Amino acid sequence: AQSVAQPEDQVNVAEGNPLTVKCTYSVSGNPYLFWYVQYPNRGLQFLLKYITGDNLVKGSYGFEAEFNKSQTSFHLKKPSALVSDSALYFCAVRPNTGFQKLVFGTGTRLLVSP
Amino acid sequence: GAGVSQSPRYKVTKRGQDVALRCDPISGHVSLYWYRQALGQGPEFLTYFNYEAQQDKSGLPNDRFSAERPEGSISTLTIQRTEQRDSAMYRCASSISSSHEQFFGPGTRLTVL
Repeated sequence: AQSVAQPEDQVNVAEGNPLTVKCTYSVSGNPYLFWYVQYPNRGLQFLLKYITGDNLVKGSYGFEAEFNKSQTSFHLKKPSALVSDSALYFCAVRPNTGFQKLVFGTGTRLLVSP
Repeated sequence: GAGVSQSPRYKVTKRGQDVALRCDPISGHVSLYWYRQALGQGPEFLTYFNYEAQQDKSGLPNDRFSAERPEGSISTLTIQRTEQRDSAMYRCASSISSSHEQFFGPGTRLTVL
């Protein structure tokens, strides 16, 4: 069975500093990996995905994520955080064959202070 | 429309009543998914449609929950004889195909009193 772990409930970073939100996964076979962001009273918004190819994927709002197969990780990163990046971030995984459902982590709240 | 829409946005009902939640996917999206999200948790898969065919309903918690997508577009998630434990945010998502990313609607907040 597939699973996702987001080990940090909350990440605090000062505006302008780099940020990392951690994600590790477990899946049979090769993974499709996703990051979504949830702002208050809003739906989940797609940020980026890893399907195949380059391990570093770039997404919306300047975010990027690095796929590391040996460490089964897919950490979300941004070189310079903005206060407006403060939100709830979810990592999700599904196998690249078979079942289509996404399995989500429990989420990490990012707080960027001015 | 520009995105996935869901209605109603908020639903308050009494225990024992039936509720129907509607999802209107992005035009042309073949795949449609239902998830349930409890407070402080990530979304949990309920069921998945490809066109009008329900391909996976393994996440439906019990037989009080059902879903349909009769014409391969709009979908309805129905909960019969609601219970307080059914209170949650119900989210719908669609994708252009099953191998692409899913786009989520704003959700329906269900409260069962």
